[in-house]
Formats: sequence, structure tokens, C-alpha cells
Amino acid sequence: SQQGEEDPQALSIQEGENATMNCSYKTSINNLQWYRQNSGRGLVHLILIRSNEREKHSGRLRVTLDTSKKSSSLLITASRAADTASYFCATPDDDMRFGAGTRLTVKP
Amino acid sequence: DTGVSQDPRHKITKRGQNVTFRCDPISEHNRLYWYRQTLGQGPEFLTYFQNEAQLEKSRLLSDRFSAERPKGSFSTLEIQRTEQGDSAMYLCASSLGQPNSPLHFGNGTRLTVT
Repeated sequence: SQQGEEDPQALSIQEGENATMNCSYKTSINNLQWYRQNSGRGLVHLILIRSNEREKHSGRLRVTLDTSKKSSSLLITASRAADTASYFCATPDDDMRFGAGTRLTVKP
Repeated sequence: DTGVSQDPRHKITKRGQNVTFRCDPISEHNRLYWYRQTLGQGPEFLTYFQNEAQLEKSRLLSDRFSAERPKGSFSTLEIQRTEQGDSAMYLCASSLGQPNSPLHFGNGTRLTVT
């Protein structure tokens, strides 16, 4: 089945550094959504980018979308220990199926 | 808090037993999803409902799994004759069902099959 695929699988950085993770998808999309999951909890919606948008910001989050490459990236600036979580992308055009995610560890 | 609620939070059962989980979505949400997640993996899509209609079901879902959403409100997920491989977190999410509607997740039911 088609689904968002996140890359890298794991990322470890120091507090204050920026974290970039990527998502690739296989079909045409209406929008693409990013979610965060803290250990043992449900996913939380972070940000949605529509197919006609190339970049979107929300606080320390910046999302880009390249529909020609069928890819998106999520940038977290000035990371904090509390950003430690798994991050996933999904699109409603693929019934909101998720990939394996990127596990981000931010060391204090 | 009127978020998505799931019950029970934890369930321990013996192999071969049947289990049923419940999900109460946000009241005005007409779309409801079920996912299964094992440690270190992403949520695996199981099925989703638009109101009371089950629109999609993963081919990975065996016949031992069944989900219902009577009256388009709460949903139940039943697993019959549980196996150790069914041990996982079962997540429910709901949305308004519009293309730009985000999913709202519950905190899941953790199933352990011994």
C-alpha cells in the first residue's frame, strides 16, 4: 500500500541544534500532514501543508513540500529536550497511512 | 477534555481469549480510524469508518478482527482467539472527514497476550 515514508529512521542531536526529517510519498496529494508521538501516547497533529503550498511555518516548525519530487521535509529549529519524540507524515489521499517514522532524540 | 477516549487503557489476556476495545471519538467527528502499533514501528492502518459505514479495511487484518461503529458514534474493535502476535498498542483517531481535517488520536489501548 502507498504510505508516507520518513527518513532518517533515527536522529540524535544536541539541544539548540536544528533537526530535519524527510517524508516521501507515492501518489498525488491534496495535503500532507505531520504528527508527533511521545512514548506511550497517541499521535498529535503538528502541521498541515496543502499541495499548492511550498512552505509553511508554525512556531519553531517549518515544513516544505516539493510535489515534483513527492517529498516533504520538517525542520525543527532550536530544538529542546521536550522535542524528543517520533515524527510521522501522512496524507488523506492514502487513507492516512503512516510510515515507520523518524525517532528524534534531543540531548540536553 | 472532550478529546478521543479509549477504553481500557491496558488489557492483559490469555492466548485464545476474545477481547474488545472501545473508542469514543470527538462528538462532531464523522470519520473514525483504527491503527495498531508495535514497539519502534509506525501506526499500522487497520480500518476506518465514515459515520457508521466501514469504508476501508486493511488486507493485513485477519478475519479474527472486526470493528463496528453502530449509529456512527463510538466504535468497538474485537479480536477473537487472540494470539501473542496481537500484542500491540491499538490506537483510535477521529476527524471531521474533510480533506484538510487533522486526525485526533486517543492514547490507545495496550494489549498484552500471554
